[in-house]
This record gives sequence, C-alpha cells and structure tokens, in this order.
Amino acid sequence: SQQGEEDPQALSIQEGENATMNCSYKTSINNLQWYRQNSGRGLVHLILIRSNEREKHSGRLRVTLDTSKKSSSLLITASRAADTASYFCATDSGGTASKLTFGTGTRLQVTL
Amino acid sequence: NAGVMQNPRHLVRRRGQEARLRCSPMKGHSHVYWYRQLPEEGLKFMVYLQKENIIDESGMPKERFSAEFPKEGPSILRIQQVVRGDSAAYFCASSRNGGASEQFFGPGTRLTVL
Repeated sequence: SQQGEEDPQALSIQEGENATMNCSYKTSINNLQWYRQNSGRGLVHLILIRSNEREKHSGRLRVTLDTSKKSSSLLITASRAADTASYFCATDSGGTASKLTFGTGTRLQVTL
Repeated sequence: NAGVMQNPRHLVRRRGQEARLRCSPMKGHSHVYWYRQLPEEGLKFMVYLQKENIIDESGMPKERFSAEFPKEGPSILRIQQVVRGDSAAYFCASSRNGGASEQFFGPGTRLTVL
C-alpha cells in the first residue's frame, strides 16, 4: 500500500450527519494536510497539522494526528450537500524538497 | 491577489504531438510544484522548481517530459510526442517558501490525447 491511504474509499451520509475520514501513512512526516476536490476541479486546501500537533480545528473541521500510529482523521460536523467532494490527505517529509505525497482519497456524498 | 493560474484548462492533442502546460504561481511565491492525477486516483508528484532551478524531479518520467521555471514568465511543463497514457489532469501548486509552507493549487489542465 502507498503512503497516505484514505479510509473509507467512499462515504455516503445525509445532510446534518458527521463525516469521518481516516488517513494512514508509512514514513515519518513533517506535516499532514487535508485537501478537498470537487469533481473535475482543482484542490482546495482545508487544514495543515504539524507533526508536533495532535488536534486542530477550523470551522466545522476537526483534524487529529497520531504519529505513533501514523494516522490522521478528518471530521466534518453537521455536513451539508456542498461538502460533497473527494477528500485527500497529503504528507511531506520536510527538508528542502517538501513535495506532497497524496493518498487515493475518500469520495464523500452528502444527500438531502 | 490572484491564485495560481494554469492554462490552458483543457488541451487536446493527437499522439505524437507536443503539449505545453503553463503555470503562473501566486504573487510572491517562488516555489512551483507539478503533480499529475489519473482518473479516480490521487495526485502524484512530478517535479519541484524554484526560479531557474529544478530542485527535485524524482517524479518525472525519464523521457519526453521536461519542466522549467524561467526568471521571467510562467513555469512550463512540456510533454513531447504524447501518448494516450499521458491523458490526465496536471496540477500546479505554488508556495512562498519550501519546507513546511502551504501549497496552493491551480485549477489544473486536463490533457486528452486522442
């Protein structure tokens, strides 16, 4: 399996429910970021969490990071139809390069 | 402050032709990254450039692909003699600094090779 795998691959919920997506990675990281991609569009940066942080909030988003388990979770509370999109985690190992390694994504469908 | 600009948004080429994809980073950003996304997959890193320098090209195919980021003008990703397998979405991202800086992505160029 590759760095940055998301789980589940697809998630369907009703509006108002919470959505939780998980991401696992293999190697040591400097930062972990979550992005959203609407169908056929570019990526929108959601949140960045550093390796020395355990939890971060931004509006309806809550991200946790467990470096001992090499995993992160993204929680979207009170979901809306507009949250329908694919969500990707991306890691970087720091240093001068800082290239991002993306997972395969979770496709979230929020229905009315 | 305009975001990362990419053009064209859609590009159709026949096998054997050349494809040129352009990326203008956000104002004040001197670091540019190119990623490729195949259908139903995540993004894969291709190359990282700073002005006039290639820093990391570990994700670039060895043949037919090249990238540059001149002192003046946009970054260019060039694919020579395109094949059907090159059909993908190509995204550019920029950051103010390298390292831990947040990367901002452009809308992508969707390349279709007939």
